[in-house]
Amino acid sequence: DIQMAQSPSSLSASVGDRVTITCRASQTISRYLNWYQQKPGKAPKLLIYEASSLQSGVPSRFSGSGSGTDFTLTISSLQPEDYATYYCQQSYSTPRWTFGPGTKVDI
Amino acid sequence: EVQLLESGGGLVQPGGSLKLSCAASGFRFSDYTMTWLRQAPGKGLEWVSVITGSGGSTYYADSVKGRFTISRDNSKNMLFLQMDGLRAEDTAVYYCAKEVFGAFDWGQGALVAVSS
Repeated sequence: DIQMAQSPSSLSASVGDRVTITCRASQTISRYLNWYQQKPGKAPKLLIYEASSLQSGVPSRFSGSGSGTDFTLTISSLQPEDYATYYCQQSYSTPRWTFGPGTKVDI
Repeated sequence: EVQLLESGGGLVQPGGSLKLSCAASGFRFSDYTMTWLRQAPGKGLEWVSVITGSGGSTYYADSVKGRFTISRDNSKNMLFLQMDGLRAEDTAVYYCAKEVFGAFDWGQGALVAVSS
């Protein structure tokens, strides 16, 4: 299976900060990379699909980039509702999808 | 609006069985591949099983192969996961999800706890 790594595992940031989370795949996955946000006790929510496409209804402060093995999720100006855990997921190896271990964003 | 509502979770002893259900609405159910994913307490996300829109093809993660069975009833817009031979390591919140090009739209989840 394709292994996904994320860094950092956690970070502390303030409202208004620019936040960047990285995701690395163990082999090339083209642009088949999705990002999710999960708040405590809630289901994950799709933010970005195919590396850089913003899911409908997701604020434009979220953006994604990358291809091959290295990807980033950027929050341009952190808002209070953005405190959550973020996961990357590869959709290259269907149906053996795999997720990164998550990045917790807190104060 | 896509709605996915899981039910059937609970506490079961090791070696026992449980059947999860997922009621879908807000989209043409039979057109979509559906999946089950899970999240152990305090852990990350894991894909469990997938079934194509017609129900003709199914796939399982190695960790559940031979113990879990996915099925669907397109006439009732329902997805199921029959879980047999449950182990402590199967304890998790189980989510049903609509799959579109490898990305997921998730239900709210159902907790399955395997303990004696």
